[in-house]
Amino acid sequence: QVQLHQWGAGLLKPSETLSLTCAVYGGSFTGYYWSWIRQPPGKGLEWIGEINHSGSTNSNPSLKSRVTTSVDTSKSQFSLRLTSLTAADTAIYFCARGRGGGEWWDYWGRGTLVTVSS
Amino acid sequence: SVLTQPPSVSAAPGQKVTISCSGSSSNIGNNYVSWYQQLPGTAPKLLIFENHKRPSGIPDRFSGSRSGTSATLGITGLQTGDEADYYCGTWDGSLSAGVFGTGTTVTV
Repeated sequence: QVQLHQWGAGLLKPSETLSLTCAVYGGSFTGYYWSWIRQPPGKGLEWIGEINHSGSTNSNPSLKSRVTTSVDTSKSQFSLRLTSLTAADTAIYFCARGRGGGEWWDYWGRGTLVTVSS
Repeated sequence: SVLTQPPSVSAAPGQKVTISCSGSSSNIGNNYVSWYQQLPGTAPKLLIFENHKRPSGIPDRFSGSRSGTSATLGITGLQTGDEADYYCGTWDGSLSAGVFGTGTTVTV
């Protein structure tokens, strides 16, 4: 059974950098794209970006200048950094396993609530 | 969002609902659609992938279809446990980004 376990700081100040990591347990780490998706409180889902085991990435153009995704295949982990935070970045951040190219996401982490507040 | 869904749908237990997801040729018209169920306080769960396929463990009460630039999720034999938010998702080639629908709340 595939499980995604994510962690990172939950309370940040404006202009700070968000850093989240997701560890994958079970299943293969190769052959998939590993995504970050967020959901502001009470709102819908927003795709942030994805990375595969070889480091090939895609990012949402609306966030691209602030997003960095990385992968550590030796640990079956992938990470997200989002810089220059504002209150608008307050959201639940999910990591998820995907097919790539937005086809589907079949396993998800539980989500991390990140609040940006001074 | 570039994908439009009705805000809410409702029906009695045992009845059927359909949820539409309207897009364009840059997304639904040329890419696979997936559907997700999100129960309150939980992560989304994949219900349908590649327009109409169900992952293992998803009952056949859930069905998906795509026609042109729109997709539809159907739920038959509604149960109280189906009360949740439902989202469609796909790739948008013009944006070069994954995109989701606006979300639909199902009330039973």
